[in-house]
Amino acid sequence: DAGITQSPRHKVTETGTPVTLRCHQTENHRYMYWYRQDPGHGLRLIHYSYGVKDTDKGEVSDGYSVSRSKTEDFLLTLESATSSQTSVYFCAISLGTEAFFGQGTRLTVV
Amino acid sequence: TQLLEQSPQFLSIQEGENLTVYCNSSSVFSSLQWYRQEPGEGPVLLVTVVTGGEVKKLKRLTFQFGDARKDSSLHITAAQPGDTGLYLCAGVPGANNLFFGTGTRLTVIP
Repeated sequence: DAGITQSPRHKVTETGTPVTLRCHQTENHRYMYWYRQDPGHGLRLIHYSYGVKDTDKGEVSDGYSVSRSKTEDFLLTLESATSSQTSVYFCAISLGTEAFFGQGTRLTVV
Repeated sequence: TQLLEQSPQFLSIQEGENLTVYCNSSSVFSSLQWYRQEPGEGPVLLVTVVTGGEVKKLKRLTFQFGDARKDSSLHITAAQPGDTGLYLCAGVPGANNLFFGTGTRLTVIP
């Protein structure tokens, strides 16, 4: 157990509203990641962080922003949710190259 | 984007049968990982292969890394219902990043 907690676990929101997902870790790891998982696409990297206030874009970053003001928290924000952002979102931390994942957040945009 | 294609995408077999899942890419990776994901959970690491041609065994699971470090296979002998899940390969191009494959959903029927 890598001590990763995602919240909320499920959310339904309306198109055009802002949404923030939270990832919290208890192990003080430097690297944290946000992925989305969609059928037929596996896991795709949205954004990642290599330290407090140090973040970078992944392959599907459009429409998403992140913030990391504390080592233990990595926030993912959808500024204006769209139906194409309906997905399951996973947070992960990295120990070397091994990734440990949270349990996921199922987001539905209606 | 470093694309990792897995085949087959879906596989349904009877208990006791053998199966092989493939992970292919045009990119070279420093190492490759296999994860298994249960419904409602995040992926969990099964194995990391590092050297071209390397073979690793984990009980009834055999993992092989291609000689050119662009592809990998997972072979399961005498599949059991507990092997049911989503299998994901992930390529490691360098430090602290992973590119995931499209996934193979395995169902083992008792």
